[in-house]
Amino acid sequence: DGGITQSPKYLFRKEGQNVTLSCEQNLNHDAMYWYRQDPGQGLRLIYYSQIVNDFQKGDIAEGYSVSREKKESFPLTVTSAQKNPTAFYLCASRRDRGGYTFGSGTRLTVV
Amino acid sequence: QQPVQSPQAVILREGEDAVINCSSSKALYSVHWYRQKHGEAPVFLMILLKGGEQKGHEKISASFNEKKQQSSLYLTASQLSYSGTYFCGRYGGTSYGKLTFGQGTILTVHP
Repeated sequence: DGGITQSPKYLFRKEGQNVTLSCEQNLNHDAMYWYRQDPGQGLRLIYYSQIVNDFQKGDIAEGYSVSREKKESFPLTVTSAQKNPTAFYLCASRRDRGGYTFGSGTRLTVV
Repeated sequence: QQPVQSPQAVILREGEDAVINCSSSKALYSVHWYRQKHGEAPVFLMILLKGGEQKGHEKISASFNEKKQQSSLYLTASQLSYSGTYFCGRYGGTSYGKLTFGQGTILTVHP
C-alpha cells in the first residue's frame, strides 16, 4: 500500500546536537511538506518542496534545514540553532489539487 | 496569518450535531478539513473549492463561502469515532499547494 513513512517515531536530542528526521513516500507525489505541532496548537509550516532539488522556507524555517535529492525522500535536519525543538514533527505529501497525506510523525524531545 | 476556528472545544453526546467554523482574514482559494486523533497524524476529510460548494464525507459535510472567507464543518448524528481535533487548512492560491492551518477544534463525543 502507498503511504508516507516517518522515522524514528521517537527521538531524543542532546543540547547542541543536530538530528535528522526521515520522511519517505511511495505515492509518487511531487509536493512534500514539513510541519511542526506543539501541544494544543495547530500545524506550522517549516519547509516545503514541489520538485527535486527545489525547496522553500515556510513560516518557521529558522534552525531547520532540508534536502530533496530524490522525489521519494524529504529529510528534515533540526540543527543546534533551533532553541526549542521539542515538538511533534509531521511530514506530508500531496498530489496535484488533492488533500495532504501525512506520515505518522516523529516526536522529538530535548534531553 | 492562520485561520481562526470556533469553537475551541465541543462536547457532545452520541447522536448530537455540531458545527465548527473556520474564518480567514486572507483570501481563500480553497479550504481543507482534517481530523486528528490523539497522538496520531491528521487524516484528510475533504477539500472545498471556490464556488460555495458543499461536500460530504459519511455524516460530515462542509460549506465554503468565499465572499465571507469562511468555511463550516457540519457533523450530524455524531458517533464516538468522531472524537478528535479538527483542523481547517487555508490554501491561498500560491504555488506549491502549501496550507496554513487553524489552531484546531477539540471534539469529544460521549456515549
